[in-house]
Amino acid sequence: DIQMTQSPSTLSASVGDRVTITCRASQSISSWLAWYQQKPGKAPKLLIYKASSLDSGVPLRFSGSGSGTEFTLTISSLQPDDFATYYCQQYKSYSEGFTFGPGTKVDIK
Amino acid sequence: QLQLQESGPGLVKPSETLSLTCTVSGDSVSSDTYYWGWIRQPPGKGLEWIATIYYTGSTYYNPSLKSRVTISEDTSKNQFSLKLSSVTAADTAVYYCAGCHCPVTSCYTFDYWGQGTLVAVSS
Repeated sequence: DIQMTQSPSTLSASVGDRVTITCRASQSISSWLAWYQQKPGKAPKLLIYKASSLDSGVPLRFSGSGSGTEFTLTISSLQPDDFATYYCQQYKSYSEGFTFGPGTKVDIK
Repeated sequence: QLQLQESGPGLVKPSETLSLTCTVSGDSVSSDTYYWGWIRQPPGKGLEWIATIYYTGSTYYNPSLKSRVTISEDTSKNQFSLKLSSVTAADTAVYYCAGCHCPVTSCYTFDYWGQGTLVAVSS
């Protein structure tokens, strides 16, 4: 099965900072990667799919890049609403199953 | 706007079967544009995909849970369901139902989520 790792596990940042989160897959997943944002007590929200495509309504300060085994989520200018936990998800195929990364918590510095 | 709502017992005894239902409103579970799935999250931990179903009846399972999981749909009630057998304390989690909107994003990423329901496994 495909394992996902994320770094860092926790990130302390200030409003206005540029933030980058890295997600790595244990084998190539092409561009089959999504990013989600989750706030405490809430369901996750899809931000990005196919590594770099922004879901409808997601602010343009969010961007994704990468392919193969290494991917990044970047927030160009961190806003108060962005303090949350971020998860990556690989979806190479249903037959292999989907896996999420362990999450990166972005908190206030 | 598509909405999903989980329902089911909040407490299940060890070795018994956990049963949850997701009621869909705003579209049909028989629609060919959605895949429907279940994801869970143990308290304070990360997300784990459990299973997905498509209107054709095709089902897909997490290999690590496959022997204990059944996903099904009831088109007459516009619902889909999850059964997880032989539960242990490790199955205690918030269980989410979700939908993948194929034409918009992909058939594999979860665009729509229910609010989640906490299921505790305890005697």
